[in-house]
Amino acid sequence: AQTVTQSQPEMSVQEAETVTLSCTYDTSESDYYLFWYKQPPSRQMILVIRQEAYKQQNATENRFSVNFQKAAKSFSLKISDSQLGDAAMYFCAYRSGNYGGSQGNLIFGKGTKLSVKP
Amino acid sequence: GAVVSQHPSWVICKSGTSVKIECRSLDFQATTMFWYRQFPKQSLMLMATSNEGSKATYEQGVEKDKFLINHASLTLSTLTVTSAHPEDSSFYICSASYRARGNEQFFGPGTRLTVL
Repeated sequence: AQTVTQSQPEMSVQEAETVTLSCTYDTSESDYYLFWYKQPPSRQMILVIRQEAYKQQNATENRFSVNFQKAAKSFSLKISDSQLGDAAMYFCAYRSGNYGGSQGNLIFGKGTKLSVKP
Repeated sequence: GAVVSQHPSWVICKSGTSVKIECRSLDFQATTMFWYRQFPKQSLMLMATSNEGSKATYEQGVEKDKFLINHASLTLSTLTVTSAHPEDSSFYICSASYRARGNEQFFGPGTRLTVL
């Protein structure tokens, strides 16, 4: 079975600084997707960034980028120029590329609560 | 695009009553809908997965007679918590996916259920 581990329950960053959130996963599959979701106090889940396992290039979305280390099964999220609006829970998630069995189920880590200090 | 709504956003009910939560995909036809449960300060736990017109697939440990899921159309899924008890109080989130968007899940805003 696949697992996702986020070892940092809480993180704090100064506004305009850079912070990295860690995520590791375990799988025997070769085809899969990895995601970072943001859940602000409103509790609406927002997709921040996604990475296809077959792509070597790290995904980027504006101030958000990932460091995807497939061999190490590591998928960290870097937030540059942190803003007050970045404060939220961040969840790392895994999805199998084999839709037939799992129907695209997401497996979530326990989350990291990010605080941004002004 | 790819908007998912949930209704109600919050509900308070008495112990022993049943509560129905609706999940709708507003601008797309969902191949699959998912129901999650989230306790305070915890992660999302998948309860069940459903495809239109077929029975839901429940995760291990989720009582199918307690949490009834009906996926009547490509845009609507409902979760009914039957004979609710205080321990059922939680935040329930649905999501929907469709093949044209690579089966990416789009999340609803969630429903907070409080059972007195």
